[in-house]
Amino acid sequence: GENVEQHPSTLSVQEGDSAVIKCTYSDSASNYFPWYKQELGKRPQLIIDIRSNVGEKKDQRIAVTLNKTAKHFSLHITETQPEDSAVYFCAARWGAGSYQLTFGKGTKLSVIP
Amino acid sequence: DGGITQSPKYLFRKEGQNVTLSCEQNLNHDAMYWYRQDPGQGLRLIYYSQIVNDFQKGDIAEGYSVSREKKESFPLTVTSAQKNPTAFYLCASSSYGTEVYEQYFGPGTRLTVT
Repeated sequence: GENVEQHPSTLSVQEGDSAVIKCTYSDSASNYFPWYKQELGKRPQLIIDIRSNVGEKKDQRIAVTLNKTAKHFSLHITETQPEDSAVYFCAARWGAGSYQLTFGKGTKLSVIP
Repeated sequence: DGGITQSPKYLFRKEGQNVTLSCEQNLNHDAMYWYRQDPGQGLRLIYYSQIVNDFQKGDIAEGYSVSREKKESFPLTVTSAQKNPTAFYLCASSSYGTEVYEQYFGPGTRLTVT
């Protein structure tokens, strides 16, 4: 299967600053990389995803970048707000034809007002 | 929060007992998944099913069993063989086709075994 490493495990930023979370994956055939946000006591929810035929994708204050050669992808949150505080998980698809995802261990983001 | 439900929210069992966690979805999704979430460990795949009457082991299937008799339902049984069953269990579902689709998660069941 796939192996996904996620860093950092915890991240504290001041409100208004940017936050960056990085992930690496092992299977060069992986072609789908979603990011999930899990607020305390809630279910994980997809916030953005990227497929391997693009290098960057943006949605308002969040963006994801993908470097296929280096096998890493990153989540960027700009102008952070207290409601961005949550645990963020990256994930990678098992190879190119499966439906299973392997998740990173998560990053707990705290936005300090 | 509709679409995929899990019950109960909290479950307490004595060691040595089997327990079944419920997962139901009305999203007409073909694929369903069970994950286990432990602090600092992320989400680990236990079992998945792409179609009725078929399921596959994930990374940590030992001590667990599943069934998929109906498209809408994918119950997970935590058996007494599972050495550390206390955890938060998440069920998910997704569409199935040539593309990969978003996985939608249920609200989870927190199982405590003493």
